[in-house]
Amino acid sequence: EVQLVESGGGLVQPGGSLRLSCSASGFTFSSYAIHWVRQAPGKGLEYVSAISTTGSTTYYADSVKGRFTISRDNFQNTLYLQMTSLRPEDTAVYHCVKVSGAGGCFDYWGQGTLVTVSS
Amino acid sequence: IVMTQSPATLSVSPGERATLSCRASQSISSNLAWFQHKPGQAPRLLIYGASTRVTGIPARFSGSGSGTEFTLTISSLQSEDFAIYYCQQYTNWPRYTFGQGTKLEIK
Repeated sequence: EVQLVESGGGLVQPGGSLRLSCSASGFTFSSYAIHWVRQAPGKGLEYVSAISTTGSTTYYADSVKGRFTISRDNFQNTLYLQMTSLRPEDTAVYHCVKVSGAGGCFDYWGQGTLVTVSS
Repeated sequence: IVMTQSPATLSVSPGERATLSCRASQSISSNLAWFQHKPGQAPRLLIYGASTRVTGIPARFSGSGSGTEFTLTISSLQSEDFAIYYCQQYTNWPRYTFGQGTKLEIK
């Protein structure tokens, strides 16, 4: 059974940092691109960042570029999102999401971890 | 690519049919997925390739369309179907985009 379990969320002050983790199981982690997708309170789903299978290629939404860093450890089957210079508008539930294959859609989501940026 | 869903909220009685729409700002061929999202849960993939139902998804869920116009139909609503539904285009990895969602509520 495919499982994606996020952790690391919490309350942080504006300008602060936080590192999210996503532990994966039930599939060959190193064979699939993975995304971070967030949902702000009362809002829809927003693409945040993506990483290729090897980690050699990364992508970011304009809203987080230069502040967030995505990475992965294919030996530990874990995805990370290092978030710095956090803003109140970064408040959201952050989901890690598996891509079904090259050119494919999202097929499995984690339940998400809540990040709250507030003083 | 901008995805637009309509309506924002749909009120339907159990047992009735629900029809949800999704429009792409440019052609995405059949690279369209539908997700169901309930509060506190992980979103669940229902349909991919615009019309292919994921294994285990009830046959009352069906998808149609191609190019820029897509539809998700739930033929006979059950209580567990009331949720928010999102469409997503996956034409240009990694910049997949979502519609803003349709909230399906009990009438």
